[in-house]
Amino acid sequence: GENVEQHPSTLSVQEGDSAVIKCTYSDSASNYFPWYKQELGKRPQLIIDIRSNVGEKKDQRIAVTLNKTAKHFSLHITETQPEDSAVYFCAARNAGNMLTFGGGTRLMVKP
Amino acid sequence: NAGVTQTPKFQVLKTGQSMTLQCAQDMNHEYMSWYRQDPGMGLRLIHYSVGAGITDQGEVPNGYNVSRSTTEDFPLRLLSAAPSQTSVYFCASSDSSGANVLTFGAGSRLTVL
Repeated sequence: GENVEQHPSTLSVQEGDSAVIKCTYSDSASNYFPWYKQELGKRPQLIIDIRSNVGEKKDQRIAVTLNKTAKHFSLHITETQPEDSAVYFCAARNAGNMLTFGGGTRLMVKP
Repeated sequence: NAGVTQTPKFQVLKTGQSMTLQCAQDMNHEYMSWYRQDPGMGLRLIHYSVGAGITDQGEVPNGYNVSRSTTEDFPLRLLSAAPSQTSVYFCASSDSSGANVLTFGAGSRLTVL
């Protein structure tokens, strides 16, 4: 089955700096790669996603890049703010419609 | 729309007891799934369904049963609870037969003593 690895597991940045979270996946047939944000005690919520026919997607301060050849994708957050502090999960959907999540990254933005 | 509704929010069981976690959605979503979330382990897929009458196993299906008799409901059954099933359980649904944008329920925290 699909295996998704996410790094780093924790990330601490100063407010205003950029944050980058990286994920790799194993199934070359995977075609959909979402990112979810989970605040403490809350449910995960989608922040951005990318499909396999696109290399990069941007939404205000958030961007995602995909390298299908290398089977990795990354989340970039610019001008970080304290409210960006949360756990972020990457995921990959394979041809069997299973969505597999990475282990999560706890992002802490220091004011 | 209520979205995805999970009940109960909290439950304590003794080893060997059975219970059902309920999940209902009112968005006419074809795809529904159950995940468990353990500290440091992320979200792991238990079972999923691409439509009424169809269910499939995810990454960690052992000890859990599901059924999908209607589009709206996707209950998760623990037949004989074990301490290893202590976790937070999330139900999620999607607006297509595949796992596209997932809408999550609020979660159910289960403790097995």
